[in-house]
Amino acid sequence: DGGITQSPKYLFRKEGQNVTLSCEQNLNHDAMYWYRQDPGQGLRLIYYSQIVNDFQKGDIAEGYSVSREKKESFPLTVTSAQKNPTAFYLCASSIPSPDYGGYTFGSGTRLTIV
Amino acid sequence: LAKTTQPISMDSYEGQEVNITCSHNNIATNDYITWYQQFPSQGPRFIIQGYKTKVTNEVASLFIPADRKSSTLSLPRVSLSDTAVYYCLVGDMFSGGYNKLIFGAGTRLAVHP
Repeated sequence: DGGITQSPKYLFRKEGQNVTLSCEQNLNHDAMYWYRQDPGQGLRLIYYSQIVNDFQKGDIAEGYSVSREKKESFPLTVTSAQKNPTAFYLCASSIPSPDYGGYTFGSGTRLTIV
Repeated sequence: LAKTTQPISMDSYEGQEVNITCSHNNIATNDYITWYQQFPSQGPRFIIQGYKTKVTNEVASLFIPADRKSSTLSLPRVSLSDTAVYYCLVGDMFSGGYNKLIFGAGTRLAVHP
């Protein structure tokens, strides 16, 4: 089955450590996105990528970094510069087709800084 | 990107029809209206998408008036498993191969026995 795989589902890290969240898709989608969700809130865009080796900052990119070396993969690194990294992180991909519902989301990674 | 406004929360009972209305006064000509459903600790799931008039699928209907400044998601005969957050999004889904949909806080629907 095609889809988006995020790993791990739960992640615990000590304050001051960088951590990388994995996102892999086998849908052959060109565009990929990272969102952050805090309790009771909507999703906020961190970074997005339209094509391999290209990505753009979203609304809350400070303290985060990404890479897009392969079409299938879009890892997100939460750096020590991110002041409040504890959150639920969602990866998504999309294809521009009127026959398709826009975004496919992964199941998310819950990051907790201890 | 068009901003949307929807109720923060709604309550219903099993077996009832639920209608959630979304306001999007600044919708652009190329914008589509898309609704997503999200359960706790899961990624949002596509429910339905439309451009104008009425769209129906196996889980919901989407009503869009002629001026397209609002839309209504209709969930027939809800069950407890429909308790979730519902997001209304408006955007040009197909330009440039990508889009940056803005997710607001959504509508928290609670279905009671």
